[in-house]
Amino acid sequence: QKEVEQDPGPLSVPEGAIVSLNCTYSNSAFQYFMWYRQYSRKGPELLMYTYSSGNKEDGRFTAQVDKSSKYISLFIRDSQPSDSATYLCAMIPQTGANNLFFGTGTRLTVIP
Amino acid sequence: DSGVTQTPKHLITATGQRVTLRCSPRSGDLSVYWYQQSLDQGLQFLIQYYNGEERAKGNILERFSAQQFPDLHSELNLSSLELGDSALYFCASSAIGNGYTFGSGTRLTVV
Repeated sequence: QKEVEQDPGPLSVPEGAIVSLNCTYSNSAFQYFMWYRQYSRKGPELLMYTYSSGNKEDGRFTAQVDKSSKYISLFIRDSQPSDSATYLCAMIPQTGANNLFFGTGTRLTVIP
Repeated sequence: DSGVTQTPKHLITATGQRVTLRCSPRSGDLSVYWYQQSLDQGLQFLIQYYNGEERAKGNILERFSAQQFPDLHSELNLSSLELGDSALYFCASSAIGNGYTFGSGTRLTVV
């Protein structure tokens, strides 16, 4: 079993829809959680960085962490065609840790 | 611009050759990480350096090596290249309390 599981999709939604992206993990030591957006053949771009359970909002993006269920989510409101990309979750057990544990990524397409 | 600079952006070379990829981390970041991403594959961690010292190794082949210099830039050396080494190579840097910031990558094609 992988330490971080993420549905690879693909996921297609109409413009304006609310998108929900999810990851589950098995290692309860993970404390810091990140979401990255990666456009085709480009470097991953950090969208959200969160610590502990709860919600964090930044514009149209909301990151949610539920440590008791080992489950994290990224919500995108009012989705735009420019949101079409692969979204990767990542996590580490402590800040400055050796390595990010990545999900495999979910490919999202927002249809105009 | 993420602040992490990678050169070159593209590299085409023949099998058996050796190449060097370069990364300059964000100003103030002491940690540098190297990742490999093959076509339709996830990001595979290769190696981490912190302030000039190797901190962790991932799935890095013996043909690959890296180092971090006093000015904190890092180089990834790939030797005896094989067709299967064709991939995107990303560098990331981080500081305590912040997420990892990735560069735009070097696309390596081995022919």
